[in-house]
Amino acid sequence: GENVEQHPSTLSVQEGDSAVIKCTYSDSASNYFPWYKQELGKGPQLIIDIRSNVGEKKDQRIAVTLNKTAKHFSLHITETQPEDSAVYFCASREGFRIKAAGNKLTFGGGTRVLVKP
Amino acid sequence: IAGITQAPTSQILAAGRRMTLRCTQDMRHNAMYWYRQDLGLGLRLIHYSNTAGTTGKGEVPDGYSVSRANTDDFPLTLASAVPSQTSVYFCASSEGGTDYNEQFFGPGTRLTVL
Repeated sequence: GENVEQHPSTLSVQEGDSAVIKCTYSDSASNYFPWYKQELGKGPQLIIDIRSNVGEKKDQRIAVTLNKTAKHFSLHITETQPEDSAVYFCASREGFRIKAAGNKLTFGGGTRVLVKP
Repeated sequence: IAGITQAPTSQILAAGRRMTLRCTQDMRHNAMYWYRQDLGLGLRLIHYSNTAGTTGKGEVPDGYSVSRANTDDFPLTLASAVPSQTSVYFCASSEGGTDYNEQFFGPGTRLTVL
């Protein structure tokens, strides 16, 4: 099955600086890569996603890049703010080989981001 | 709009006891999922359901069972709880049907098995 590795496990940045989180995946047929943000005591929430036919996607201060050849994708947060402090998870969705498999995601281990004022 | 609700919020359980975690969604989503979250291991899929009446095994299904009698409810049962099942459990749902549907998560249930 798919294996997703995420680095770093913790990241401390100064407010206003950029933060980068990197993930690698194992299945070359994976075709969808979402990023989730989890605030303390809450469930994860989707913040951005990218499909395998796109190399980069941006939404205000966050962007995601995908390198299919190297099988890695990254989350970039610019001009970090205290409200960006949270745990971030990357995930991948294996290619739709078997319809019955559904929309299952494999998650990375998470990155705890702390933005210091 | 409630989205996804989970109950209980937290529970302390003696080993060997049976426990059912409840999950209800009001978005009429076809697909539902149960994950467990352990420190450093991210979210691991326990069981999933693509549509009412069908279920499937995820990455870590042993010791857990699910049912999907209708669209809205997806209960997770621990038949005989063990300490290694101490975790935070999240239920999620998505529209289903394509590869790219967002999964919406509930607030989680913190379970401690002693």
